[in-house]
Amino acid sequence: SQQGEEDPQALSIQEGENATMNCSYKTSINNLQWYRQNSGRGLVHLILIRSNEREKHSGRLRVTLDTSKKSSSLLITASRAADTASYFCATSYYQLIWGAGTKLIIKP
Amino acid sequence: DVKVTQSSRYLVKRTGEKVFLECVQDMDHENMFWYRQDPGLGLRLIYFSYDVKMKEKGDIPEGYSVSREKKERFSLILESASTNQTSMYLCASSSWDNGYGYTFGSGTRLTVV
Repeated sequence: SQQGEEDPQALSIQEGENATMNCSYKTSINNLQWYRQNSGRGLVHLILIRSNEREKHSGRLRVTLDTSKKSSSLLITASRAADTASYFCATSYYQLIWGAGTKLIIKP
Repeated sequence: DVKVTQSSRYLVKRTGEKVFLECVQDMDHENMFWYRQDPGLGLRLIYFSYDVKMKEKGDIPEGYSVSREKKERFSLILESASTNQTSMYLCASSSWDNGYGYTFGSGTRLTVV
């Protein structure tokens, strides 16, 4: 059962630009997590933001969480070709519930 | 530093065969999960385990079983493989703290012919 919905489903930008992906969810959460998946590979955990946090940074990644709107955004600054991947959000209460992902393409 | 290892990257099996997918983690995590991933359907949870010899059904357990005899190993079993079980299978582990999210294996792409 999917709770998270990423938006947009696909995003294509030029290298060096910023990429923003959004995630909306439906029910209460303990935390929200973002993952990256390169084509045909497993998922890699990027960042976790707890329900009492509003913003978190990790390198070129910035995640915000608005629990009143039940939404989160992932910002990748100064994108690189290697950032080309699918990005998933997952919300955690007792289990992780996954969105369908955003496919990000960085054009050189 | 591989932390979650899935035994095969690619697997081709015949309809009706019994298939074992193995997953081993070296992080002493309590929780282990099996997902399948299909285009347009995202990740779907098959089974999970919170402790040794414990198993819980996920969203799509039909046609699958699991075994967790040791903390570090979680096996997914397809009792009688069918073509609709052709998919990417992903194993993951996590700790109760969950401060670092899930750690995934590289996935096994299973084709049933």
